Amino acid sequence: EVQLVESGGGLVQPGGSLKLSCAASGSTFSGSDIHWVRQASGKGLEWVGRIRSKADRYATAYPASVKGRFTISRDDSKNTAYLQMNSLKTEDTAVYYCKYFDRSDSSDYWGQGSLVTVSS
Amino acid sequence: QSALTQPASVSGSPGQSITISCTGTSSDVGGYNYVSWFQQHPGLAPKLMVYDVSSRPSGVSNRFSGSKSGNTASLTISGLQAEDEADYYCSSYTSSDTRVFGGGTKLTVL
Repeated sequence: EVQLVESGGGLVQPGGSLKLSCAASGSTFSGSDIHWVRQASGKGLEWVGRIRSKADRYATAYPASVKGRFTISRDDSKNTAYLQMNSLKTEDTAVYYCKYFDRSDSSDYWGQGSLVTVSS
Repeated sequence: QSALTQPASVSGSPGQSITISCTGTSSDVGGYNYVSWFQQHPGLAPKLMVYDVSSRPSGVSNRFSGSKSGNTASLTISGLQAEDEADYYCSSYTSSDTRVFGGGTKLTVL
């Protein structure tokens, strides 16, 4: 059974930094794009960014709301992806999910979510 | 990139069919066949119900179907069941090589 386990969430002050990890077990995601999605309490889903596979040169993309502040990376040897968040704002407070879609069998995997709270 | 437009809520009785719309632009929904639909129950991670406009992942009931016309994608749920009550989100690839979600639709099964 494939599992994505996120870690690294917590309380951080405005302007601070935090790094989330997303570790996959039960399968390798090296051939898949990894996405990060967040959801503020009681709100909808917001796409936070994506990193492509090695075949696509680990290309990243971000929405305007986090571009220049968030960085996604991956270490396929550890089956782990990362979300580095800098210059955090109170509006970044949310549950952060990592996910990937395996086209070979149309399976979509999500982590359990990691709560990030930005507050003084 | 603006969020895709979904109705805030829809409702239906058990056994009925409902359709949730997702309106974007020619730079996202209308320009690519990469529209996905997710179901989310309270407190749980989203679940993929439809991808690439109309394809269903294995294990998803064939009561769920997707389609697209112009800049608007739609998710139809037939034979409504109590367990279908949840929030539904559409998502599309965009011309900026990004993804965008809709605002979400709360489905109530009466």
